[in-house]
Amino acid sequence: DADVTQTPRNRITKTGKRIMLECSQTKGHDRMYWYRQDPGLGLRLIYYSFDVKDINKGEISDGYSVSRQAQAKFSLSLESAIPNQTALYFCATSDSDRGGTEAFFGQGTRLTVV
Amino acid sequence: RKEVEQDPGPFNVPEGATVAFNCTYSNSASQSFFWYRQDCRKEPKLLMSVYSSGNEDGRFTAQLNRASQYISLLIRDSKLSDSATYLCVVLSGAGSYQLTFGKGTKLSVIP
Repeated sequence: DADVTQTPRNRITKTGKRIMLECSQTKGHDRMYWYRQDPGLGLRLIYYSFDVKDINKGEISDGYSVSRQAQAKFSLSLESAIPNQTALYFCATSDSDRGGTEAFFGQGTRLTVV
Repeated sequence: RKEVEQDPGPFNVPEGATVAFNCTYSNSASQSFFWYRQDCRKEPKLLMSVYSSGNEDGRFTAQLNRASQYISLLIRDSKLSDSATYLCVVLSGAGSYQLTFGKGTKLSVIP
């Protein structure tokens, strides 16, 4: 089983719908991240959380919100999906005890907004 | 200037060739540096960290030049299985420790 699990793996949704992407981890890491990846643009940070009570905006947070329900769970919501949010979304974790350096990624969620 | 810049490639090389990737970063206060590998439609995975003294892992050698804010990755004796996108990653941000990813360099090793 993967240490960082994302659900769903694939999702097609309509413009204007609310959608939640979920991430859970069994690594015991305190830090969690959401990235999106678009062709030609690389990985861009949406939100990050260094512990349950700490949530921070990343480079491209507009149109997204997050919730850190527990140390092991970090969900990403699109309140009203739009087509330019079609992308590959990755959740990642890191361990501050190890300097927060190496990031471990989930397998990704491919989201299509039509 | 973008925070982390890489040549997007693609680099198409024959098996057995030596190939080098370069990366520059803009934040002189960056603390740590890495190369990640990403296979098509898969998640990125850490390939190796990059140390000031340079470091080697088998056929892979990584080097850091802090004065020039430049990182490199050298792959010797390329294998077909080395075909992937290689991401340059920088850890920076006082107190916030954000990982910033380059857009990646695509490598195709050809039989």
